[in-house]
Amino acid sequence: NAGVTQTPKFRILKIGQSMTLQCTQDMNHNYMYWYRQDPGMGLKLIYYSVGAGITDKGEVPNGYNVSRSTTEDFPLRLELAAPSQTSVYFCASSYSSQRQANYGYTFGSGTRLTVV
Amino acid sequence: QQPVQSPQAVILREGEDAVINCSSSKALYSVHWYRQKHGEAPVFLMILLKGGEQKGHEKISASFNEKKQQSSLYLTASQLSYSGTYFCGTVQGAQKLVFGQGTRLTINP
Repeated sequence: NAGVTQTPKFRILKIGQSMTLQCTQDMNHNYMYWYRQDPGMGLKLIYYSVGAGITDKGEVPNGYNVSRSTTEDFPLRLELAAPSQTSVYFCASSYSSQRQANYGYTFGSGTRLTVV
Repeated sequence: QQPVQSPQAVILREGEDAVINCSSSKALYSVHWYRQKHGEAPVFLMILLKGGEQKGHEKISASFNEKKQQSSLYLTASQLSYSGTYFCGTVQGAQKLVFGQGTRLTINP
C-alpha cells in the first residue's frame, strides 16, 4: 500500500505558466481533497471530491481546477500561475460511510511549488 | 469558519505536560487532531465524534465538549518525538475539514 502519492515533489514555474499536480491513492477512499499550506500557516481547502465525477469548491478555489474521473486519481490544475500560488500543496483522502461519518485523512507528502 | 487554537506556541522540557485548545463559533459534530513535523505532511492522531468523548493515543489524549464547542489535546510526559505543529480540524459539511492555524510545540531535552 503506497497510500497517497503526489508528483512532482518540487516545481518552479514562471508567471503565466500552467501545470498539473498529480495525486493518486490506492486505499479505495471515496473522498479526496486538495489543500495548500503557506509558510507558517494552516491548511486551506482548495477543492474536494466525494466520489468519481463529483467535485466542489473549498475555501480558496480561484486559479485552480480539478477533475475526478476515477476513484484513485484527483489531479489539480493551475492555470496562469501567479506568485500568490507559491505554496506547499497537499492531497489527502479519507473514507466515509453511513456507519461512520468520517475517518482520519491520509495526506500525501506534498508538492512544493514556487512561482517566479 | 476556521477554528481557533490556543496557545500559538509552547516550549516544554522533556517530561512536562501540555494542553492545546481548539474552539469554534459553529456547532461541532466532530473534531480531528493532526501532527505535522517540519517539512513533512500532517499525520492523523485521532478523531472525536461525540460530545464529551475522550480518546487516547499513546500518551496523547483528547476531549470534546460539544456544548462548549471546543476540544482539547493533552500531551502528558512529553517526549522529544512529540515536537511539531498540532492542528485541529472541524468537519463542516460533506466531510470537509477546516483546520485551525496550528500550535507549534517544541520539546527541549
